[in-house]
Amino acid sequence: GENVEQHPSTLSVQEGDSAVIKCTYSDSASNYFPWYKQELGKGPQLIIDIRSNVGEKKDQRIAVTLNKTAKHFSLHITETQPEDSAVYFCAAIENNTDKLIFGTGTRLQVFP
Amino acid sequence: DAGVIQSPRHEVTEMGQEVTLRCKLISGHNSLFWYRQTMMRGLELLIYFNNNVPIDDSGMPEDRFSAKMPNASFSTLKIQPSEPRDSAVYFCASSSQAPDTGELFFGEGSRLTVL
Repeated sequence: GENVEQHPSTLSVQEGDSAVIKCTYSDSASNYFPWYKQELGKGPQLIIDIRSNVGEKKDQRIAVTLNKTAKHFSLHITETQPEDSAVYFCAAIENNTDKLIFGTGTRLQVFP
Repeated sequence: DAGVIQSPRHEVTEMGQEVTLRCKLISGHNSLFWYRQTMMRGLELLIYFNNNVPIDDSGMPEDRFSAKMPNASFSTLKIQPSEPRDSAVYFCASSSQAPDTGELFFGEGSRLTVL
């Protein structure tokens, strides 16, 4: 089955700096990689996703890159703001079951 | 739309008691997912339904857990009897598409504490 590993588990940055979160996956047939943001006391919310036919996708201050050969994908947040503080989860589809397998999460703290 | 609605938001119960968690899907969505979140194990998929039919329940921990979709817009997750190790936040999520093509919309979760 699919195994998703995520690093780092915690990340602290100064407001305005960039933050990078990295994930690896094991199922080479996976073709869909979403990122979810979870604020305190809330459920996770999709912020960006990428499919295996592209290598990079951007949405304003957020970008995701995918390296299928190495089986890793990353979330990049530029010009971080305090409201970016949350737990971020990467995920990958387990190809033979269509289950979405989540990473263990990264707690991002952005200090003003 | 009000989004996915879960109840109760918090439940504290004693070991051995029955717990029922409820979820109302977003109107028009046809897939329903129950996840459990703990510090140790992160987000784990327990079971998911498509068009009211359970597709995969391999994540359900044991026979004490059961889930139903009595209609297209509502689901329950029942734990009987509950144990302290069941303490977690339980999330329900719905989607209008297959897991590999669309967004999951999560509710705000039900925090369960079993004493």
